[in-house]
Amino acid sequence: SQQGEEDPQALSIQEGENATMNCSYKTSINNLQWYRQNSGRGLVHLILIRSNEREKHSGRLRVTLDTSKKSSSLLITASRAADTASYFCATARGGDGLTFGKGTHLIIQP
Amino acid sequence: DTGVSQDPRHKITKRGQNVTFRCDPISEHNRLYWYRQTLGQGPEFLTYFQNEAQLEKSRLLSDRFSAERPKGSFSTLEIQRTEQGDSAMYLCASSSPLSGGTDTQYFGPGTRLTVL
Repeated sequence: SQQGEEDPQALSIQEGENATMNCSYKTSINNLQWYRQNSGRGLVHLILIRSNEREKHSGRLRVTLDTSKKSSSLLITASRAADTASYFCATARGGDGLTFGKGTHLIIQP
Repeated sequence: DTGVSQDPRHKITKRGQNVTFRCDPISEHNRLYWYRQTLGQGPEFLTYFQNEAQLEKSRLLSDRFSAERPKGSFSTLEIQRTEQGDSAMYLCASSSPLSGGTDTQYFGPGTRLTVL
């Protein structure tokens, strides 16, 4: 079963705008990770935030985590055409596998 | 290329045939994971190994599925008597949380299986 639920399911914005995606999950976690997947390709790891962290930055990416609300958000600033992809949040409870959501499909229009 | 590699990249088979996929993890990674992804969905966890030990199997992994990692390096995933519902992308990932790394899992490009 898929624990994470991304919102929105699809997002279309103009190049240069910021994109925000949200993720909600159901059980306690050790960490939450965000991945990007271009059409028909493998997953690329973007950022990992641990359960005791509230915010993390990596380049144009900003991730927040609210464990009390069991939610996370991914902000991509100054979007580029190359950011067009599906974005997934994934939660980890321990050494076992990740539980992914269904993803947000992001389209950056030139 | 020192990333996770998978072979083959594409496999077309007829219903009822057996197929085997291979995954080579990043060389120093002791954990290896298999996932399955169908169109429009996120990946779903199938099983994982720590070194050569298979530590967890999802209930998605029916009796027709078997995975091995005999020497703690590469892994194989075999599907026996394939069904059309097995058509999916099979993803492999590896990680190394014990060597000072994080729980970050690095994914391979996947093997796309089509069962006719």
